[in-house]
Amino acid sequence: QVQLVESGGGLVKPGESLRLSCAASGFTFSDHYMTWIRQAPGKGLEWLSYISISGFTIYYADSVKGRFTISRDNARNSLYLQMDSVRAEDTAIYYCARERLRSLDNWGQGTLVIVSS
Amino acid sequence: QSALTQPASVSGSHGQSITISCTGFISDVDGYNYVSWYQQRAGKVPKLLIYDVSNRPSGVSDRFSGSESGNTASLTISGLQAEDEADYFCCSYTSIGTPWVFGTGTKVTVL
Repeated sequence: QVQLVESGGGLVKPGESLRLSCAASGFTFSDHYMTWIRQAPGKGLEWLSYISISGFTIYYADSVKGRFTISRDNARNSLYLQMDSVRAEDTAIYYCARERLRSLDNWGQGTLVIVSS
Repeated sequence: QSALTQPASVSGSHGQSITISCTGFISDVDGYNYVSWYQQRAGKVPKLLIYDVSNRPSGVSDRFSGSESGNTASLTISGLQAEDEADYFCCSYTSIGTPWVFGTGTKVTVL
């Protein structure tokens, strides 16, 4: 079955960096666009970034553009999110999700990032 | 890109039908048939309910249905059950800024 497992979250100070990973299994990772979404505590979903199959096409939300970098390694079935210059408002659960049929059909369990001094 | 507008809360009695609206613009909901809906129960991961406005993935109950009229998409839950208590989010492709935008979310309460 499709499985997405995020890791790398934790407590980080404002201005520091963090790298999130998403390990995929149960499907052909290199056949799918992949997406990062986050959810601040008690808030709604915020689409953050996606990456095409080849990695050639990438988009970011304005809130993270220039600070976060999405990447993927199809050989390792892994998706990444490099988070630089983090801010308090980046505190959230970060989900990776598989894109299929113009929707997000499978989500990971999420990894919590807390930005605090 | 601003979030799509959903009512903050909708409630209904067990067995009733309710409809959740998702209002956008010509640049998103009105311009493309790429609206999806997600259910998020308390403390759980979002789950895809509807894609491309009205299509249900396999395994999703036919009590969930989607539609669209102009710049507003809608999710209808028929035969409301206790297990339907959750937050519901719409999502649409958009031609402005980021490719995708979520709705503000709606909390459904079963009375």
